[in-house]
Amino acid sequence: GESVGLHLPTLSVQEGDNSIINCAYSNSASDYFIWYKQESGKGPQFIIDIRSNMDKRQGQRVTVLLNKTVKHLSLQIAATQPGDSAVYFCAENPSGGYNKLIFGAGTRLAVHP
Amino acid sequence: GAVVSQHPSRVICKSGTSVKIECRSLDFQATTMFWYRQFPKQSLMLMATSNEGSKATYEQGVEKDKFLINHASLTLSTLTVTSAHPEDSSFYICSAVGLEGPQHFGDGTRLSIL
Repeated sequence: GESVGLHLPTLSVQEGDNSIINCAYSNSASDYFIWYKQESGKGPQFIIDIRSNMDKRQGQRVTVLLNKTVKHLSLQIAATQPGDSAVYFCAENPSGGYNKLIFGAGTRLAVHP
Repeated sequence: GAVVSQHPSRVICKSGTSVKIECRSLDFQATTMFWYRQFPKQSLMLMATSNEGSKATYEQGVEKDKFLINHASLTLSTLTVTSAHPEDSSFYICSAVGLEGPQHFGDGTRLSIL
């Protein structure tokens, strides 16, 4: 279903620590998932994606884990840096291909020195 | 990487004015473009899906006569907010997708209606 959030949850981490941001998605038929990073006043920036035939995918300093059984997605950021501070959104594509996305509520990541 | 340009970045205008926002894919041809609206501290809400050369598909609750979408070419889509009122003030964001790959987003337009 659609996601509407009134309050963004915040994850506070120390610089250099690993961060884990979690997301529960709604549609068991979704087969494509994306993590986006949004900095203040800007549009979302693609971080990493994963298809439902995989349960893990790694990028540079980021790893996405997918658990289809419980409809859960997570984004792991290694050695978190101040520049990682932003709002992170997961998005699911319920119809296959690269069509419309349904966005999660978002999590604010605050990195402290 | 794929670049999507959105213009203008900020608009302030009087109530009753119509405002046009442009979304361009700069280095790829976008088969589909999407328009979103985002309120402060909230997620992105899809307004409509725009395919080149055809009518846009609007999400439930979005007035098509209020938010006019034109997708005249594979690199340009426009959103016109007609007769804008203060409640239309928001952050409007477009995205574009090519033949494959994820949606790539513009940097948004902050619309303020006085």
